[in-house]
Order: sequence, then structure tokens, then C-alpha cells
Amino acid sequence: NAGVTQTPKFRVLKTGQSMTLLCAQDMNHEYMYWYRQDPGMGLRLIHYSVGEGTTAKGEVPDGYNVSRLKKQNFLLGLESAAPSQTSVYFCASSYHRHLMNTEAFFGQGTRLTVV
Amino acid sequence: AQKVTQAQTEISVVEKEDVTLDCVYETRDTTYYLFWYKQPPSGELVFLIRRNSFDEQNEISGRYSWNFQKSTSSFNFTITASQVVDSAVYFCALRSNFNKFYFGSGTKLNVKP
Repeated sequence: NAGVTQTPKFRVLKTGQSMTLLCAQDMNHEYMYWYRQDPGMGLRLIHYSVGEGTTAKGEVPDGYNVSRLKKQNFLLGLESAAPSQTSVYFCASSYHRHLMNTEAFFGQGTRLTVV
Repeated sequence: AQKVTQAQTEISVVEKEDVTLDCVYETRDTTYYLFWYKQPPSGELVFLIRRNSFDEQNEISGRYSWNFQKSTSSFNFTITASQVVDSAVYFCALRSNFNKFYFGSGTKLNVKP
């Protein structure tokens, strides 16, 4: 049972480069999320999706885009990376809140460094 | 507004001491869910417990216990007889009506042998 899988696990980018982080879940979850984790700031929501074909902004969306073309995949794109985007990125997924097991299931994280 | 506050940035204890991690939340929702996650030095996020807003019963699981009090909007986590393996960052989280998860800034627990 793979759960939530993120690729890649590590990446170093130069300022201005672009990249896409891939998140895949095999639990048939409706909801998917992208968070970034910075020291002392907990996890901050970048974008999220409540279903295939839908996306919405979180609290720190600037500089990122997302797409959810398939229910099981949620992509996070950086069009022009900046050093301020150096962070650890976590993808998560969950069932609808009215179902059991309402917690978020997390991927292993992607450590991104922008130089 | 939804908000989770973990005022304790870092706590250090000696092994076998008891330690309580505080979590205070804000929400106007009448139905909500609270969670605790553990992030060990390896970096993954491990789910520990969920609690819904209608269930104020305290819960005990081995050395772990949770105290949920709606009157003070708190969901505190106690580790009894701490061990070195408990060293980690612990996050409290709130799930709102709109299905977003709000996380506190985390409490780093250092358990020294």
C-alpha cells in the first residue's frame, strides 16, 4: 500500500528555472493539498483541490501553480524559482470530512533548494 | 478565522519525565476535527490522533494521552515517562468546514537520556 508518493525527494534549482513536483495517491481520496514547511512556521497551505479538475488557493499561493487532471495526481509547478521558495514541500490527501479517517495522509516530502 | 497556536517552540526534558504539549485553536465552525502529528528527525509526518468537536472524552494510548477541552479551545498532548525516541517536532492541526487543514507552528521536543 503506497499511500501518498512524492517525486522527486530532493532537487536543487537555479533561480529562474522551472520544475514540477508530482504527488500521487492510491487511496481514492477526494482532497489533495500542497504545503510548504519552513523553520518555525509549521506547514502552510499553498494550493489544494477538492476533486478532479478543481483547484483553489491556500494561504501562500504566489509563485506556484497546480493541476489536478486525474483524481490520483496533484502537480505543483514553479514557473520561475526564487530563493524564497527554498523549503520542504509536502503533499497530502484526505477523504471528505464527514467520512471516517478524516486525517490527512502525507507524502515523504520534497526538499527543494533554489540557489 | 481558523487558527492553531502552539506557544511552546521547544521543550527539553530528561528521559522518564512527563511532558505536556499545548495546543489552542480558534474556529467558528460548530463541527471540526483536531489532530496531532509527529515529525521525527527523519522528516515524515506521522498521524497520532484525531478528535471531532462532539467528542470531548480524553484518550489514552500507552504513554500518550490527549485532553480536549472545548471550553478553553485546547487540545493538549501529554507524554508520560518520555523516551529518547519521543524526540521530534509535534504538530497540532485543525480541519475546518471547508476541508482545509490548519497547522500550528510545531513544538520541538528534545528528550535527553
